[in-house]
Amino acid sequence: QVQLQESGPGLVKPSETLSLTCTVSGGSVSSGSYYWSWIRQPPGKGLEWIGYIYYSGSTNYNPSLKSRVTISVDTSKNQFSLKLSSVTAADTAVYYCARTSDYWGQGTLVTVSS
Amino acid sequence: DVVMTQSPLSLPVTLGQPASISCRSSQSLVHSDGNTYLNWFQQRPGQSPRRLIYKVSNRDSGVPDRFSGSGSGTDFTLKISRVEAEDVGVYYCMQGTHWPGTFGGGTKVEIK
Repeated sequence: QVQLQESGPGLVKPSETLSLTCTVSGGSVSSGSYYWSWIRQPPGKGLEWIGYIYYSGSTNYNPSLKSRVTISVDTSKNQFSLKLSSVTAADTAVYYCARTSDYWGQGTLVTVSS
Repeated sequence: DVVMTQSPLSLPVTLGQPASISCRSSQSLVHSDGNTYLNWFQQRPGQSPRRLIYKVSNRDSGVPDRFSGSGSGTDFTLKISRVEAEDVGVYYCMQGTHWPGTFGGGTKVEIK
């Protein structure tokens, strides 16, 4: 059974960089059959796809966030990561990591506030 | 971006009765590879989304057969044949044909 677990600070100051890591167990980020995604959900709102990465390192980002997003993969640790720069209150959300769209982490709430 | 429009917003259902959720896309979801990448997700209160249906009508492993998906092009439907108490939550459609993948606004299923 594939499991994903997000980790990282729950509070980030405005204008700083949000950094999250997703640790994968029961499967490998090196599998060429899947892509590894970050998706977010502001409190009480809908879902937004941030971007994804293949094991090779190739990425695809949502154009609405592209200038601020970096997703990377560390195959040695079986992890992939999200960095979102210059955050504002609008970036407050539950951040999920997912394998393609079939397995999701439990999500982690990141609040942007001074 | 492809806009996904779900209806209704809220769906009160009597236990044991059927339920149906509609999802319409602003453009065709038929991919150049011939597949239609339309998924349905269930999000129970306090939980992460769980995929129920992929590529319009394929049930994920462990999903009860009371859930079914249908549709084509721009018009899709999720049906629950007999609603059970555990089906309470918000249901989302999602298209993966055009990047970025986009979600519908959600339909809240509750028990009358």
